[in-house]
Amino acid sequence: EAGVAQSPRYKIIEKRQSVAFWCNPISGHATLYWYQQILGQGPKLLIQFQNNGVVDDSQLPKDRFSAERLKGVDSTLKIQPAKLEDSAVYLCASSLGNLGGHEQFFGPGTRLTVL
Amino acid sequence: QKEVEQDPGPLSVPEGAIVSLNCTYSNSAFQYFMWYRQYSRKGPELLMYTYSSGNKEDGRFTAQVDKSSKYISLFIRDSQPSDSATYLCAMSAGTGGFKTIFGAGTRLFVKA
Repeated sequence: EAGVAQSPRYKIIEKRQSVAFWCNPISGHATLYWYQQILGQGPKLLIQFQNNGVVDDSQLPKDRFSAERLKGVDSTLKIQPAKLEDSAVYLCASSLGNLGGHEQFFGPGTRLTVL
Repeated sequence: QKEVEQDPGPLSVPEGAIVSLNCTYSNSAFQYFMWYRQYSRKGPELLMYTYSSGNKEDGRFTAQVDKSSKYISLFIRDSQPSDSATYLCAMSAGTGGFKTIFGAGTRLFVKA
């Protein structure tokens, strides 16, 4: 079974630039999560999708972050404009359904450095 | 006060030792308690989860939950160098639209 795919693996940008991350979840997984993991901290949920609908985006900084999952499969997270404090690993995870939140499968993450 | 507290370590033990990793929490609504392992530059990997209180064993790993004390533990028996990683505890109040809250993670080093 293929795991959660993410790209790119690494990205370096200047502050105020924009960046986009892509995630393809495990086939058949209806729920998709985007997390931000700052060095030395645990993952923090940014947004959760159930199919193509948003379940929770309460911690997404909506003035600069946006995410979409148009066809209920893969997803894109965008930051525009980036700030220095956005430097982190962005993790995508998926679970079988909304009731499978206790069994999340993570991708390798995208390591973002904002200079 | 953070909802989930976890000592970041690092914790260094010799090969074969029993390792005890712990988390405390403040939200009494938490019902699901998970342990994830994260190797350097990799995503977290679920080790095991427990629903409500009690113990759960899986090979060399045992998870314990004490809801009365709001305290959870992960024990690793016969630790191996390959167990060297960051261990994240995580909790949620349910599975239907409830947010999972992660601890900061404890870095474990098992020396050969």
